[in-house]
Amino acid sequence: GEDVEQSLFLSVREGDSSVINCTYTDSSSTYLYWYKQEPGAGLQLLTYIFSNMDMKQDQRLTVLLNKKDKHLSLRIADTQTGDSAIYFCAESFSGGYNKLIFGAGTRLAVHP
Amino acid sequence: KAGVTQTPRYLIKTRGQQVTLSCSPISGHRSVSWYQQTPGQGLQFLFEYFSETQRNKGNFPGRFSGRQFSNSRSEMNVSTLELGDSALYLCASIPGTSVENEQFFGPGTRLTVL
Repeated sequence: GEDVEQSLFLSVREGDSSVINCTYTDSSSTYLYWYKQEPGAGLQLLTYIFSNMDMKQDQRLTVLLNKKDKHLSLRIADTQTGDSAIYFCAESFSGGYNKLIFGAGTRLAVHP
Repeated sequence: KAGVTQTPRYLIKTRGQQVTLSCSPISGHRSVSWYQQTPGQGLQFLFEYFSETQRNKGNFPGRFSGRQFSNSRSEMNVSTLELGDSALYLCASIPGTSVENEQFFGPGTRLTVL
């Protein structure tokens, strides 16, 4: 079935690394996405990874994928107050065309 | 390159009315998807259009419909509005090729049903 789960809250100190975790159940996942949503705004695409990749790095962002455990993580290095937002992971899957299944979102709070 | 445009940004309607929302995708993108975001249900897929054809549909009642025009712009319509239709409606712009898989979202239309 289609299900994506995320922890709801994460609090980190400014300058530390943040790790946001996500698990999914659909073994036919093709792409996995990370989006950021700030208050009152739409979804900003941060990065995405093909399901046969293990890792993708983009500046301060590192995505790790463990396909065996169906576990996806997003690491934000040197977290800043501007990173405070809700982060959503989402998956697309074979046969679903471009339909995305989203997690509930992780609210990241960055404090000084 | 212009981003995804959604109009209107805010809308207030009363129960029983109908509403039409518009989405203009990124130039050159051929696919548009629509999502409903509510505090209780999160982000839920409504439908996807590619080259004016609906390719996929989520689990929403028939009051929710959409279409796509030849210039890839898309509209969604909700008839006989209910209080529970209050939500942020987001559209995603997708290249529609087999090798480009980014999905870019617009700012959304916030619909309030009174």
